[in-house]
Amino acid sequence: QKEVEQNSGPLSVPEGAIASLNCTYSDRGSQSFFWYRQYSGKSPELIMSIYSNGDKEDGRFTAQLNKASQYVSLLIRDSQPSDSATYLCARPRDSSYKLIFGSGTRLLVRP
Amino acid sequence: KAGVTQTPRYLIKTRGQQVTLSCSPISGHRSVSWYQQTPGQGLQFLFEYFSETQRNKGNFPGRFSGRQFSNSRSEMNVSTLELGDSALYLCASSLGQGDDGYTFGSGTRLTVV
Repeated sequence: QKEVEQNSGPLSVPEGAIASLNCTYSDRGSQSFFWYRQYSGKSPELIMSIYSNGDKEDGRFTAQLNKASQYVSLLIRDSQPSDSATYLCARPRDSSYKLIFGSGTRLLVRP
Repeated sequence: KAGVTQTPRYLIKTRGQQVTLSCSPISGHRSVSWYQQTPGQGLQFLFEYFSETQRNKGNFPGRFSGRQFSNSRSEMNVSTLELGDSALYLCASSLGQGDDGYTFGSGTRLTVV
């Protein structure tokens, strides 16, 4: 099992819809998770971090963490074409300072 | 506040040559990590430095090396370049406490011909 798994997509949603991106992980000891957005040809940009079970909201973005089920998700409300990008889930490996990334989910928001 | 600065942005090298990439972290950040990104392999961790010490190393051959200076700036070096080393090399900085997300630079696009 990969340390961080994501569906590669593409996930296609109409403008204004809610986009739901999911990530599962194998290390039960993981304490922190990060969501990055990467536009084509650009570097990853940190958009959300979450450290405890439950939801964390920031504008149109909501991160959800369920440690018992070992998954973390990102919801994007009122999706816009400008949200079209690859979304990467990441967590530190064990208690090290090595950030492990999933392969990313490509999101397409149709106008 | 200045972001993470990587130089050069683009580089074309010939097989067998060596290359040095540079990264200046965000002011106050003491941790610098390097990643290789290719379409087929995604983001692969190379190494991480904190206060001039390498704390973590990924599964790359010894041709890939790095270092960090006292001002937290970092360099990575790839010797005896191979065609497969063509990739986007990304540097990311953080405070280095383990649970803070990293901020990435714009990357260096290396093409080996």
